[in-house]
Amino acid sequence: DIQMTQSPSSLSASVGDRVTITCRASQSISSYLNWYQQKPGKAPKLLIYAASSLQSGVPSRFSGSGSGTDFTLTISSLQPEDCATYYCQQSYSTLPITFGQGTRLEIK
Amino acid sequence: QVQLVQSGAEVKKPGASVKVSCKASGYTFTSYDINWVRQATGQGLEWMGWMNPNSGNTGYAQKFQGRVTITRNTSISTAYMQLSSLRSEDTAVYYCAREDSSGYVDYWGQGTLVTVSS
Repeated sequence: DIQMTQSPSSLSASVGDRVTITCRASQSISSYLNWYQQKPGKAPKLLIYAASSLQSGVPSRFSGSGSGTDFTLTISSLQPEDCATYYCQQSYSTLPITFGQGTRLEIK
Repeated sequence: QVQLVQSGAEVKKPGASVKVSCKASGYTFTSYDINWVRQATGQGLEWMGWMNPNSGNTGYAQKFQGRVTITRNTSISTAYMQLSSLRSEDTAVYYCAREDSSGYVDYWGQGTLVTVSS
């Protein structure tokens, strides 16, 4: 199975800050990397697919980059509504699908 | 619009089975794979298994092999996930999720809380 490791596990940032979350795969997954946002009590929401493609309706302050084993999710200017947990997911090998352990983002 | 609507919360005793339904609407049910993912309180997302609604083909996480069964009824655009031999560690929110052909999940059900308690 492909293991996904996110860092940091949690972070706190201020409104307007640039925030970066990292995801590393245990083997090369090309660009088969997706990012989700989950707010408490809600289902996850797709933000970025194929490493850098913005899902329809997602604010442009979210962006993704990377290929191979190292990927990043960047929020260019943090907003209060971005307080959530973020997960990466590899879709290179879908049996099984694997997620990172999550990064909890808090607003200072 | 695309919707996945799941059945309501369940409370089960250890050793019992639970069957959660996921009714799809707003798209052709047989055109997209369905995945099941669970999340224990305060924990991350755990993939359980997958089904192609057109063929009925399935694949399961090794952890759940022998305990989970994913089925469908195409006439009512509904997928089902049955988990047997429940234990307290199976207490979690269970999600169905539609998978795009590129492997990302673009729509999720609202989640079903399954509580296993004696």
